[in-house]
Amino acid sequence: DSGVTQTPKHLITATGQRVTLRCSPRSGDLSVYWYQQSLDQGLQFLIQYYNGEERAKGNILERFSAQQFPDLHSELNLSSLELGDSALYFCASSWDRDGQPQHFGDGTRLSIL
Amino acid sequence: SQQGEEDPQALSIQEGENATMNCSYKTSINNLQWYRQNSGRGLVHLILIRSNEREKHSGRLRVTLDTSKKSSSLLITASRAADTASYFCATDDTSGTYKYIFGTGTRLKVLA
Repeated sequence: DSGVTQTPKHLITATGQRVTLRCSPRSGDLSVYWYQQSLDQGLQFLIQYYNGEERAKGNILERFSAQQFPDLHSELNLSSLELGDSALYFCASSWDRDGQPQHFGDGTRLSIL
Repeated sequence: SQQGEEDPQALSIQEGENATMNCSYKTSINNLQWYRQNSGRGLVHLILIRSNEREKHSGRLRVTLDTSKKSSSLLITASRAADTASYFCATDDTSGTYKYIFGTGTRLKVLA
């Protein structure tokens, strides 16, 4: 058990909709990372937060946004969903700011119909 | 674009054999990590090797790093059926824009 909790496990929705994915990091970890994993793009880094502040940004679309709350949980908001957004979305955490993602959740599988 | 590219894309071996996976990357790095992903699950961090290290061991895992060739290899010795998974390398891209870039992965299947 990595200690990282992601909810929901599965999400099915339609194009044009908006969804929120939630992540609770491992206890004691201050950094949260979001990744998108799809068959054709592999594992893409989206964004990292450290102790509530945005730390690094990757291939995150403008339709996507994220935040980290004072209790360190994080949410990834995906809006105006397109078929191509169907993927596994992983959250990972680590205790430091400039290290690497140590603990991964089991992901949220998002299916756009 | 992907920072890391693993080779081979897929590998099938018999239990007890050794499995070698390679990873190539493009930019300067501070460290390189290897992860394992079981089907439908999150990634598990296996081992980290820093840019000033050439080789590192952890149990049945042996990782090498050649910064001059921008490549790394992961060797799993005496493989077991439970090692069946996808293996990814990841690097911290020091060029600044992107961080912790994952490769495309090697799908390893260990046959009992």
